[in-house]
Amino acid sequence: DTEVTQTPKHLVMGMTNKKSLKCEQHMGHRAMYWYKQKAKKPPELMFVYSYEKLSINESVPSRFSPECPNSSLLNLHLHALQPEDSALYLCASSLHSQGWEQYFGPGTRLTVT
Amino acid sequence: AQSVTQLDSQVPVFEEAPVELRCNYSSSVSVYLFWYVQYPNQGLQLLLKYLSGSTLVESINGFEAEFNKSQTSFHLRKPSVHISDTAEYFCAVSLQGGSEKLVFGKGTKLTVNP
Repeated sequence: DTEVTQTPKHLVMGMTNKKSLKCEQHMGHRAMYWYKQKAKKPPELMFVYSYEKLSINESVPSRFSPECPNSSLLNLHLHALQPEDSALYLCASSLHSQGWEQYFGPGTRLTVT
Repeated sequence: AQSVTQLDSQVPVFEEAPVELRCNYSSSVSVYLFWYVQYPNQGLQLLLKYLSGSTLVESINGFEAEFNKSQTSFHLRKPSVHISDTAEYFCAVSLQGGSEKLVFGKGTKLTVNP
């Protein structure tokens, strides 16, 4: 099973809302990632968790707050977003964080109004 | 730092024609190489990977890629494409033994026409 699941598939939120994106994998992977992808662009790395600890934050604004409650679950908490934050948010996981292939979820299409 | 160049942003081909999507990378150390495919409104799917061993790697749906260390390339090929191969293809690299980051190329949009 090489599946990474993400919920919700679509999310529309206002600039004052608080919402969360959820990602789950049951492959025993110990690294999990959040990416942001704009139309016709490659994914941009946001955060990396390795063994449930945040190891990389690519200078992401604080209105995005990641959380890794356990080795199978990754959340992205959203608060006071801007319209330019509208994008496809992708979660990925890999066996370990260094050099292993990453498996991506289907993404959450976020629209900020 | 490593970088990835996908030389063609768009590649239109006719069904059953052969195709090559080009990928070159730059790195001062050894790398792992990947091709990902993204169909419209979907996430990325791992198409194939080169970690070590044989420089020619194949996927289950007829794609293959060859790692060429001297030319720092990892071009993707398919001898006969189908309409269903229409998608965005991303080449990516990560450093052997050291990096948590996957560096992507800008992508190549393959459009297969009937």
